[in-house]
Amino acid sequence: SQQGEEDPQALSIQEGENATMNCSYKTSINNLQWYRQNSGRGLVHLILIRSNEREKHSGRLRVTLDTSKKSSSLLITASRAADTASYFCATDAGISGSARQLTFGSGTQLTVLP
Amino acid sequence: GAGVSQTPSNKVTEKGKYVELRCDPISGHTALYWYRQSLGQGPEFLIYFQGTGAADDSGLPNDRFFAVRPEGSVSTLKIQRTERGDSAVYLCASSPTPEYEQYFGPGTRLTVT
Repeated sequence: SQQGEEDPQALSIQEGENATMNCSYKTSINNLQWYRQNSGRGLVHLILIRSNEREKHSGRLRVTLDTSKKSSSLLITASRAADTASYFCATDAGISGSARQLTFGSGTQLTVLP
Repeated sequence: GAGVSQTPSNKVTEKGKYVELRCDPISGHTALYWYRQSLGQGPEFLIYFQGTGAADDSGLPNDRFFAVRPEGSVSTLKIQRTERGDSAVYLCASSPTPEYEQYFGPGTRLTVT
């Protein structure tokens, strides 16, 4: 079952603009991760934010986490055509030391137009 | 170093046949995961190995699905009596320990005709 839901399902922007994607989830988590996927194949890990963190940056990426609202957002600044991909949030709800199955949302398809 | 590799990249099989999908994790990674992704959806967890043992197989849909990791490295996902509904991309991931991020392979696209 899918825990997270990304919003919007699809997003189309011009190169240079910022892209914001949102993720909502249902249960308590240890951390939340964002992944990128090109052409329906392998996923690339972008960033991990722990439940006790509120904001994290990595290059052009900025992730926020609001555990009280059970939501997260991914901001990509100064987007490029190469950022075109599907973006997924995934939650890790396992207890420390236990199995770490990730529960993925259904993804946001981002298209960056040149 | 080399990432997670999966073979074959594509597999077409007839309904009712048996298939095996292979995953080679990153060397030294003790945790290995299998996920299944249907078109337009995010990956869904199938099974997790810590070392040689299946620590969590709660995501396997039914007893036609089975996975092994006999030496704590390579893993094989086995599907018996395949059905058309099994068609999906099967993704493997590994991580150094369960608490770390997961590194995904390119997936095996399974098509059951």
